[in-house]
Order: sequence, then structure tokens, then C-alpha cells
Amino acid sequence: NAGVTQTPKFQVLKTGQSMTLQCAQDMNHEYMSWYRQDPGMGLRLIHYSVGAGITDQGEVPNGYNVSRSTTEDFPLRLLSAAPSQTSVYFCASSRLPGQGGEQYFGPGTRLTVT
Amino acid sequence: GENVEQHPSTLSVQEGDSAVIKCTYSDSASNYFPWYKQELGKGPQLIIDIRSNVGEKKDQRIAVTLNKTAKHFSLHITETQPEDSAVYFCAATSTDSWGKFQFGAGTQVVVTP
Repeated sequence: NAGVTQTPKFQVLKTGQSMTLQCAQDMNHEYMSWYRQDPGMGLRLIHYSVGAGITDQGEVPNGYNVSRSTTEDFPLRLLSAAPSQTSVYFCASSRLPGQGGEQYFGPGTRLTVT
Repeated sequence: GENVEQHPSTLSVQEGDSAVIKCTYSDSASNYFPWYKQELGKGPQLIIDIRSNVGEKKDQRIAVTLNKTAKHFSLHITETQPEDSAVYFCAATSTDSWGKFQFGAGTQVVVTP
């Protein structure tokens, strides 16, 4: 199993540009999430999904969109990039809590918005 | 919503000594408390977790304790080794709102030989 994969690893955007961060998992996990990590602030939840076709907002959803058309993929879209979105982005997936619930993280995407 | 506070923010220990990191949470509905280790340039990795129906869990040199009444849980690392140097995060969620994890701000642990 490849686990959770994220592309790209690094990205530089200009203010106002849009882009999609890709996330895929091959463990047939129902739950997938997107976090951003900023220095001294831990990980903050952006959006999450409890299954294909179902998404919900986390703590910091503004400026980001998600969709979940398949179990495997959970892309994160930045609509109009702003310098405040400079961060490291992590995707994660997990099984249902009754099946263990261990959350697996991808390697991250480092995004810089100039 | 849930709020998780983590202390200390940095922790320096001599190799062989013990390290303790403490977290408090606010939502009494939270019942799942994982701990993650993050090495430089990598994603967080689960090292141990505890559910609210137990008070302590051990895995070799790592243990976690939970006090539901006081709403705090702690990570204990014994006989620390240089490879334990990393950032450690605590988190909390409930099985009723699975996927909505709230993380602490992290603790940078440095183990000096």
C-alpha cells in the first residue's frame, strides 16, 4: 500500500491564482481530512469528509473548497490564493472509530503565496 | 467546540531521562485521544492513543494516562533516546463527531546524548 499520497510537494503561487492540492489513499478509508500547519499553531482542520459525496467544514474553511467524488480522492482547491494561505498542508485518512480509527497522514504540501 | 492546550512548547532532556508532555481538553464529549510524532519534513505519525474507557495505556517506552474528571491526558516517554527528538502533538475528538480532530500546538522534544 502507498498509504496517503499528496501532490505536489512544493508549490509557489502568486496572489489571486488558484490551484488544487491532490490527496489520494489506497486503504479504503471512509474518513479523509485536510489540515494546515503553521508555526506554533499545531494542525488546524480545514475540511473533512465522512464518505464519498459528503463533506463538512472544519475550523478554518474560508478560501478553500473540497469535493469527494470517490472514496480514494479528496482534492483541496484554493480559489484565489492569499499570502495568509502560505502554510504546510496535510491530508489524512482513517477508518471508522469502531474499526480502530488510526489516522494516517500524507507527507505534506508546502505552499508559498507571494 | 473542543479546545486542546499542550505544555510545554519545548522540552530538553538528557538521554536516558524521562519526558512528560501534558494536554488539557475542554469538551467532555471527547473520548478519543491520540498522540502523534512528527519528524522534520514529514507528516505526523500516530505513536499511541487512548480511549475514555481506560485510564492508562503502555507501549514499550511510551505510555499515556487519561484523567477524565480533570480533562487532561499526558504522554510519558521513558529512557529517552536521540531518535525520540521530534515534535509531539496531542489531539482529541469524539466518536460522535469523528474526523473533527482538535490538535494541541505541539511540543518540540530535544534529547541530548
